[in-house]
Amino acid sequence: DAGITQSPRYKITETGRQVTLMCHQTWSHSYMFWYRQDLGHGLRLIYYSAAADITDKGEVPDGYVVSRSKTENFPLTLESATRSQTSVYFCASSGTVVNEKLFFGSGTQLSVL
Amino acid sequence: KQEVTQIPAALSVPEGENLVLNCSFTDSAIYNLQWFRQDPGKGLTSLLLIQSSQREQTSGRLNASLDKSSGRSTLYIAASQPGDSATYLCAVLAGGGADGLTFGKGTHLIIQP
Repeated sequence: DAGITQSPRYKITETGRQVTLMCHQTWSHSYMFWYRQDLGHGLRLIYYSAAADITDKGEVPDGYVVSRSKTENFPLTLESATRSQTSVYFCASSGTVVNEKLFFGSGTQLSVL
Repeated sequence: KQEVTQIPAALSVPEGENLVLNCSFTDSAIYNLQWFRQDPGKGLTSLLLIQSSQREQTSGRLNASLDKSSGRSTLYIAASQPGDSATYLCAVLAGGGADGLTFGKGTHLIIQP
């Protein structure tokens, strides 16, 4: 189906483990983003990418790694998960930043025990 | 640093009423403003995108206005329905870069049948 999909939908892991959240979009959008949503903080940008092989840090990048070898995929890896990384993670994409809407995936609810 | 405030944080109204949600931002040098809807456990859906040169955008029963000089936007919902119950977030893009999108924390709207 066309759109932006995230997997897994739910994930429980333990502190210190590596976790990868997947994001795939079918529109060939140039821009892709990872946000986390927490009560009291709202949505905060973790990393973003303007094109394949181009990534940049957002507001809260520490403890996260991203890659973008293909335009349609933008995985987010937690190298060594911590409890403070328990959150809902959203991937988003846009054709351009200024002129087009931002499209979000359904999110991954991550719990780090 | 851009700050986006949404008031009220929560609102409950009877079905059929017209209502206004408010969004204010501190830096008027924005490129655009988006209004999003978020249903429980779901991602965000972009409702309206207003460019900085525009005063308003309309989609069905929704009308969003933008007053850059005063740092304000309103989302008007006409003839509210129970299906409009959701959290509504606004986001402003400043600086032109992909990391320049700042979200408000949202207004949680309940439409009573």
